[in-house]
Amino acid sequence: SAVISQKPSRDICQRGTSLTIQCQVDSQVTMMFWYRQQPGQSLTLIATANQGSEATYESGFVIDKFPISRPNLTFSTLTVSNMSPEDSSIYLCSVEGGGVETQYFGPGTRLLVL
Amino acid sequence: DAKTTQPPSMDCAEGRAANLPCNHSTISGNEYVYWYRQIHSQGPQYIIHGLKNNETNEMASLIITEDRKSSTLILPHATLRDTAVYYCIVRMMNRDDKIIFGKGTRLHILP
Repeated sequence: SAVISQKPSRDICQRGTSLTIQCQVDSQVTMMFWYRQQPGQSLTLIATANQGSEATYESGFVIDKFPISRPNLTFSTLTVSNMSPEDSSIYLCSVEGGGVETQYFGPGTRLLVL
Repeated sequence: DAKTTQPPSMDCAEGRAANLPCNHSTISGNEYVYWYRQIHSQGPQYIIHGLKNNETNEMASLIITEDRKSSTLILPHATLRDTAVYYCIVRMMNRDDKIIFGKGTRLHILP
């Protein structure tokens, strides 16, 4: 299985600011995904981070609000822009596991926007 | 939208088998049933998956009905550490198919 780390693990931010979350995998993976989990809710897919091309966003999520980078096969970033208290969530990175066709998840980044 | 239906919560006594049901009546022939769980403050953890045959691994067993419209995840000897939200997911086994999470079942293991 892939080992995934995320930075920061948690943060408290002021409204109107932006936060960039990093996701690092210990092996090269083709597919990387970003999810959001609002308090008490299930996970919602934000986008698929494509290496070498623009991310593919799910309905309700836009690049201006959640810009994503994927510079190589082991790393991705998600930026939460112009934050509001409604952005307070856990943000999780996920990767497709090599050879097993299943997804593995990072520990998540807990974000609180004041 | 999620393609599965699960009870919102269940209780199970420690040491007993926990049987978590899932309904996926609209599953198509090339879709697999996956189970994940999320322990509090952690990312989801893969448990098991299957197509039509029953599957078993070191964590759990997966029983899929013959018509594939429902399945049951079995934790044979539940411990307190199995307290988590369990998600039943239907997806195709290829790298491009996204995992769509439903609300899951919150399993409480009682001492």
